[in-house]
Amino acid sequence: EVQLVEAGGGLVQPGGSLRLSCAASGFTFSDHYMDWVRQAPGKGLEWVGRIRNKANRYTTEYAASVKGRFTISRDDSKNSLYLQMNSLETEDTAVFYCARVESTRGYTYGDWGQGTLVTVSS
Amino acid sequence: DIQMTQSPSSLSASVGDRVTITCRASQGIRNDLGWYQQKPGKAPKRLIYAASSLQSGVPSRFSGSGSGTEFTLTINSLQPEDFATYYCLQHNSYPLTFGQGTKLVIK
Repeated sequence: EVQLVEAGGGLVQPGGSLRLSCAASGFTFSDHYMDWVRQAPGKGLEWVGRIRNKANRYTTEYAASVKGRFTISRDDSKNSLYLQMNSLETEDTAVFYCARVESTRGYTYGDWGQGTLVTVSS
Repeated sequence: DIQMTQSPSSLSASVGDRVTITCRASQGIRNDLGWYQQKPGKAPKRLIYAASSLQSGVPSRFSGSGSGTEFTLTINSLQPEDFATYYCLQHNSYPLTFGQGTKLVIK
């Protein structure tokens, strides 16, 4: 059974930093691209960014709203995905989900974590 | 960036009804689109991939169609568990973009 478990959310002041993690199990993590998606309270879904697999040199893509502030990384030896968030703004308050990209299913998200809430407030 | 315009933003329907949700892309995206269902407090769940392929385990009353710039999600014979929010997501080019969502409520 595929499991994605996010951790690391919490309350942080504007301008602060936070690192989210996503522990994966039940599939060959190293084969897959992985994404972060967020959802502000009461709002819709927003794609945050992607990290490709080793075969694609772990390259990354980001939404304009987070580029230069957020960094996605992964550790295939630990089956873990990370999101380093710097210079946080109140607009970054959201539930953050990690999601497994399935290339065999049109590069859509086969599995999601349960989400972790990040609150940016003074 | 590709804009995904989803309509309607909310929809009131009854059990047994047939409903259709539309997503229009600001430029052609082939069939690089998925549909997701989200219930309150839960992560989204994939219903459709590649615009029209039904995810395994999803009831056959859900169907997707379209290619290029116009896509639809149809739900036949609505069931109580279908009342949720639905999103389309294009993954043709970066940044990936979601539609604004359609909240399906019971009439």
